[in-house]
Amino acid sequence: DTEVTQTPKHLVMGMTNKKSLKCEQHMGHRAMYWYKQKAKKPPELMFVYSYEKLSINESVPSRFSPECPNSSLLNLHLHALQPEDSALYLCASSQAGSHSGANVLTFGAGSRLTVL
Amino acid sequence: GQNIDQPTEMTATEGAIVQINCTYQTSGFNGLFWYQQHAGEAPTFLSYNVLDGLEEKGRFSSFLSRSKGYSYLLLKELQMKDSASYLCAVMDSNYQLIWGAGTKLIIKP
Repeated sequence: DTEVTQTPKHLVMGMTNKKSLKCEQHMGHRAMYWYKQKAKKPPELMFVYSYEKLSINESVPSRFSPECPNSSLLNLHLHALQPEDSALYLCASSQAGSHSGANVLTFGAGSRLTVL
Repeated sequence: GQNIDQPTEMTATEGAIVQINCTYQTSGFNGLFWYQQHAGEAPTFLSYNVLDGLEEKGRFSSFLSRSKGYSYLLLKELQMKDSASYLCAVMDSNYQLIWGAGTKLIIKP
């Protein structure tokens, strides 16, 4: 299994909703990442978990809450989002911990989020 | 500050060769990556360079000069499916990936 699986593929939510994005990998990778990507822009790093511990939080608003239940799963809980949060949310994993050189990221297909 | 520059858009002809340049200024260097991203899809890994020189992988090659802060991605025998954005990313001294804005490559028949 060489994939990172993200669900749902598409999500539409109102500003008062609570929803979650899910990510799963079974490659034995030790680091997992959440990125946000707007159209025609590069991915922006949000959070990094390394060996199941949150190692990087790029000053993301608290309406985004990450969770790493185990080494294969990564969730992103969403609450009280704003329309400007509409974007493609990408999960990625890498074999080594986040502080390592040739750390190739394997991305999931993404969850396209629309906030109304 | 940290900066990565790549052209916004390039156009090339099917069957031809194209070179996409990337220049960078980062705090430290732990390698340079090239990713391909088709519209609406996730980025996929193409190449990694940490030492100077050329890395060849089929139709794609990537070159690095650390002293010049410069890399290029060379695509040969272009196919229509190569139409995509190509993202250059540098890993800095803190192992953080700094991303370029990407180069949109348009292939014409």
